[in-house]
Amino acid sequence: QKEVEQNSGPLSVPEGAIASLNCTYSDRGSQSFFWYRQYSGKSPELIMFIYSNGDKEDGRFTAQLNKASQYVSLLIRDSQPSDSATYLCAVDTGRRALTFGSGTRLQVQP
Amino acid sequence: EAGVAQSPRYKIIEKRQSVAFWCNPISGHATLYWYQQILGQGPKLLIQFQNNGVVDDSQLPKDRFSAERLKGVDSTLKIQPAKLEDSAVYLCASSLDGQTEQFFGPGTRLTVL
Repeated sequence: QKEVEQNSGPLSVPEGAIASLNCTYSDRGSQSFFWYRQYSGKSPELIMFIYSNGDKEDGRFTAQLNKASQYVSLLIRDSQPSDSATYLCAVDTGRRALTFGSGTRLQVQP
Repeated sequence: EAGVAQSPRYKIIEKRQSVAFWCNPISGHATLYWYQQILGQGPKLLIQFQNNGVVDDSQLPKDRFSAERLKGVDSTLKIQPAKLEDSAVYLCASSLDGQTEQFFGPGTRLTVL
């Protein structure tokens, strides 16, 4: 079992729709959770982080965490073509630096 | 504020050759990370430094990879000898203290032929 699992996609949504990206993790001791965006040929950039169960909102982005289910999600409201990228879920298990999933490729259709 | 700098940006070598990558973190950042990102995968940590000491190198293939961070600032990652499976993007990241946001450099794309 991979430590951090994501559906590779591509996830295709029309412009203006809500994109929902999901991530599961295996280590119950994981403490903090991060979503990075990576455009093709570029390096990852942090979008959001979340530590506590529940929702955290920042502009068009909402991160959701459910530690009991070992599940993290990222919602992108009013999706734009510029949101088309690979979204990486990363987990801090406290044992080492971040463990990344393989990413979900999002395509926003104009 | 200047970001994380890496060089070279691209490198093509033959298998069994040696290669070195350089990273200059954001000024004042104590923690430096080297990640390997193979096409289609997420970044995988190779080594983490806190100042000039190694915090975690458990996933570094020590028979061929080495890294140092002399004086707690710049860092170099070396591969000797390279294998075909080392073809990847090597990302350097830094954070203020290992507890806060990691900032990534542009990466070095290595192709081993």
